[in-house]
Parts: sequence; structure tokens; C-alpha cells
Amino acid sequence: DADVTQTPRNRITKTGKRIMLECSQTKGHDRMYWYRQDPGLGLRLIYYSFDVKDINKGEISDGYSVSRQAQAKFSLSLESAIPNQTALYFCATSDLTTSGLSSYNEQFFGPGTRLTVL
Amino acid sequence: GESVGLHLPTLSVQEGDNSIINCAYSNSASDYFIWYKQESGKGPQFIIDIRSNMDKRQGQRVTVLLNKTVKHLSLQIAATQPGDSAVYFCAESTFTGGGNKLTFGTGTQLKVEL
Repeated sequence: DADVTQTPRNRITKTGKRIMLECSQTKGHDRMYWYRQDPGLGLRLIYYSFDVKDINKGEISDGYSVSRQAQAKFSLSLESAIPNQTALYFCATSDLTTSGLSSYNEQFFGPGTRLTVL
Repeated sequence: GESVGLHLPTLSVQEGDNSIINCAYSNSASDYFIWYKQESGKGPQFIIDIRSNMDKRQGQRVTVLLNKTVKHLSLQIAATQPGDSAVYFCAESTFTGGGNKLTFGTGTQLKVEL
């Protein structure tokens, strides 16, 4: 989705290096997410943010940190990269639509960043 | 159908046939379900969603069925086309203090044979 951009698209780095992956969105959504995708394991949530002042850990946050610099920007950092962090990383955004007693959201994904840690 | 493991389940269908992709979800409190399509080299794209108070929803060539009794979700694609070849993920949404989180299945690879 062109409204959600990720930089870089590809990155090769070495063990121990600090890496930052950036995500920007022009959809005006408050909610942003970082996922990693590994073969056969689907998408797993690393961190999520429901607004600029809100940061929450997902199911696999160890070894990662995030920063929500603005409504439109959400960056993911690997302080000291290790080989098992080699994966495809996706940023996503969503808004909240409430109808009746339920609330639900659709997430819009960026194109992904392929990270290789040697 | 989708399952946990290192190998992605694969469904092969002939062009023009109907496809059915299955998904078992885990949380009976989930109130919203989504199907995503991921083409090679791209991020997941929304296909269709369904809320827990429904058991069927139809879109263009796609239908989602929800069976809450057995916690099962399926995606039906009518008249499958080569452009439907992709990995399909189901996701369940659970409300968690301030918003919803999505939990994704492991995905099913759909291959359309000419």
C-alpha cells in the first residue's frame, strides 16, 4: 500500500550492529504496528502503538525497541542485531471503526523490509 | 488449512475451479476476523472481513464463512484465476485495553494451475 512506506527495503548487516527500520504513513491513522515474518510462522507482532504516547509490547519484543516520533512515524530498532533476527519486517497502520457493540479495525501494511544479519 | 509448523500448507487448484482455504482460530473472545492476501515481495493486503455476530459475508468472488462453535473460518474464492496465486492469512482480532490486536495464522499457499 503506497500510503504506508518502509525504509530501507533491504538491509544486510553484521552481528552486533545497531539497526533502525523506519515506517511512515499518510493515512492519518493513530495506530501503528511492527511485525516480523518468518517462513512457516506467519506474522508475529513485535510492538504496537495506539497513539503517539502509547507503546505496547507484542508477543516477540525481546531484542527490539520502538519509537513513535509522530502520528505518522513509527521506527523499529535492533540495538545489537543477531542472526536469528533475519526476517521480513512489516509495518502496519489502522484506524478504529466502531459499530454497535463491536469495535474492529483493518490493518494496512507497508511493502516490508528484508533484513539479513550475518 | 493453516497450521503451525515450518512448512507452509499448499492448495493447488485448476484455473476456473473454486478454492476453499480453511483456518482454525484459538480465542473464543475474538470478535472480528480478516483474510489477507500476500503476493510475493509485497505486504499483506486486505481481502474480506467478518464480525463475530455474522456467519457469512460475501464480496466480489470471495466468501468468508465463520463457525464459532468449532472456531473455524474459511475463505472461498470462486472461479480461481492465476492472479489469485498468493499466500492467504487469516487473522483474529481481540480487544485489548484501548484497541484491537490481530493474531495471524501461519498462511496457506494457493497455487493456480493453468
